Amino acid sequence: AQSVTQPDIHITVSEGASLELRCNYSYGATPYLFWYVQSPGQGLQLLLKYFSGDTLVQGIKGFEAEFKRSQSSFNLRKPSVHWSDAAEYFCAVGAAGGGNKLTFGTGTQLKVEL
Amino acid sequence: GAGVSQTPSNKVTEKGKYVELRCDPISGHTALYWYRQSLGQGPEFLIYFQGTGAADDSGLPNDRFFAVRPEGSVSTLKIQRTERGDSAVYLCASSLGRRGGENIQYFGAGTRLSVL
Repeated sequence: AQSVTQPDIHITVSEGASLELRCNYSYGATPYLFWYVQSPGQGLQLLLKYFSGDTLVQGIKGFEAEFKRSQSSFNLRKPSVHWSDAAEYFCAVGAAGGGNKLTFGTGTQLKVEL
Repeated sequence: GAGVSQTPSNKVTEKGKYVELRCDPISGHTALYWYRQSLGQGPEFLIYFQGTGAADDSGLPNDRFFAVRPEGSVSTLKIQRTERGDSAVYLCASSLGRRGGENIQYFGAGTRLSVL
């Protein structure tokens, strides 16, 4: 069965500082990997995805993530955080078959200090 | 509309009552998904439709939960004899349903269900 671990429940960074949110997955084959962001009262917005090819993927809002098969990781990074980035971030893994139903981590709540 | 639409945005009901939650997917999306998000948790998969049929309902917690998509577009999630533990945000997503598998799911804002 597939699973996702986001070890950091809460992270606080200062505006302008760099950010890395950790994600580890468990899946038997090459996974499809996603990062979504959720603001209060909002649905999930896709930040970026990995299906295949280049292991460093770029997303919206200046985010990027790197797929590392050897570490079963897909960490999300941003070089300089903005106050508007405060939200909850979810990593998810999807199967190549089965309609790509997603398995999500428990999320990381990001707080940005001004 | 351009995105996935879910109604109502909030639903308060009493224990034992029946509720229906509606999802209107992005036009042209053949795949539709329901997830449930409890407080402090990530979304959990409930059911997936490809067209009109439920292709995978392995996430439905018990037989009180049922979902339909009769015309391959709008879907309704139905919960019978609601329990307090059913309180959560119910999220709907849709995707193009490509056979190759590289599908991106677009989510609605969710329905917050509160069972008193």
